[in-house]
Amino acid sequence: AQSVTQLGSHVSVSEGALVLLRCNYSSSVPPYLFWYVQYPNQGLQLLLKYTTGATLVKGINGFEAEFKKSETSFHLTKPSAHMSDAAEYFCAVSRNTGNQFYFGTGTSLTVIP
Amino acid sequence: DADVTQTPRNRITKTGKRIMLECSQTKGHDRMYWYRQDPGLGLRLIYYSFDVKDINKGEISDGYSVSRQAQAKFSLSLESAIPNQTALYFCATSDPGLITGANVLTFGAGSRLTVL
Repeated sequence: AQSVTQLGSHVSVSEGALVLLRCNYSSSVPPYLFWYVQYPNQGLQLLLKYTTGATLVKGINGFEAEFKKSETSFHLTKPSAHMSDAAEYFCAVSRNTGNQFYFGTGTSLTVIP
Repeated sequence: DADVTQTPRNRITKTGKRIMLECSQTKGHDRMYWYRQDPGLGLRLIYYSFDVKDINKGEISDGYSVSRQAQAKFSLSLESAIPNQTALYFCATSDPGLITGANVLTFGAGSRLTVL
């Protein structure tokens, strides 16, 4: 069975500060890992994904995430938060080209001016 | 036009009524999904379909049914709506990932359903 845990349902950061959103997964096989972002009144859109190869993955809007197999983690970071980053972020896992995605419960990011 | 279009975007209905949420896509993807989003619970899979003749239950299919009318169309029905089906519903599509190495989901904008 696969599952995803996102630590912290709400995270607040000051504009310009580091953004760190945590994601841990459990999987019996090496997974594919994803971060999606949901802006208000919109559907989810892909931020970045890890499949194989380089463990540091860069995504859109300056976000990146690092796959750490030993820690079963895929934390999302951005060096400097912008007001436009305020949104809900979801970590997800699938098993290679598997038919199901498993989502975390989401982290709501607030950026304080 | 959006790649994945959901209608209606908002719907208020009463307990016991039949409701259909529709989804159409222009991505040309074979795989389509219906998810439900509830605060604090993330997204949960209701049904998915890998082609017109393929329908599969997800983790929370009870009380729901689906129809895959064409490659581009996948509708979700609530035969007799109940209040705990009040939620935000998302349709999504994906390719099999043979080229990109991972099947990435493309989501619609969501359908907010309220059952009174």
